[in-house]
Amino acid sequence: AQTVTQSQPEMSVQEAETVTLSCTYDTSESDYYLFWYKQPPSRQMILVIRQEAYKQQNATENRFSVNFQKAAKSFSLKISDSQLGDAAMYFCAYRCTSGTYKYIFGTGTRLKVLA
Amino acid sequence: ETGVTQSPTHLIKTRGQQVTLRCSSQSGHNTVSWYQQALGQGPQFIFQYYREEENGRGNFPPRFSGLQFPNYSSELNVNALELDDSALYLCASSLKRGGEHEQYFGPGTRLTVT
Repeated sequence: AQTVTQSQPEMSVQEAETVTLSCTYDTSESDYYLFWYKQPPSRQMILVIRQEAYKQQNATENRFSVNFQKAAKSFSLKISDSQLGDAAMYFCAYRCTSGTYKYIFGTGTRLKVLA
Repeated sequence: ETGVTQSPTHLIKTRGQQVTLRCSSQSGHNTVSWYQQALGQGPQFIFQYYREEENGRGNFPPRFSGLQFPNYSSELNVNALELDDSALYLCASSLKRGGEHEQYFGPGTRLTVT
């Protein structure tokens, strides 16, 4: 069974600084997708960034980038130039490419941005 | 294009009662998934519907059931409510079942069982 682990329950970062959130996962599949979702206090989950496992190049979306290490089964999120609006729960998620296509989520990391 | 909507926003029920939660998919999306998010936890997959058929189920008992309608809206029904069913219930829709198509989440329904 696939699992997703986020070992940092809470992280803090100064505004304008850079922070990295960690995620590890376990799977026997060779092809899958990995995601980072943001859940602000308003509760609605928003996709931050997506990585296809078959792509070696790390995904980047503006200030958000990932470090995808397939062999190590690691998928960290780097937020550059942190802004107050980045404060939220961040969830790492795994989705296989066949079957039910369900998402498997980690337990989340609460990010605090300090002014 | 409208987003995913859920109703009601909040709900309080008594142990043993039954509850129905509703979800309207994003326009054009034929796949709906339901998740349970307990306080302080990540969402847990309950089940998925694709074109009105259940397409997979997580580790939830049969008292959790669902429906998807021809317009792709969906319901989650929970019978014989237990205190541990208190959680945020999230609905997510996607254009297709898999591939590169991401899921779009609704704002959730907060269920409290007393």
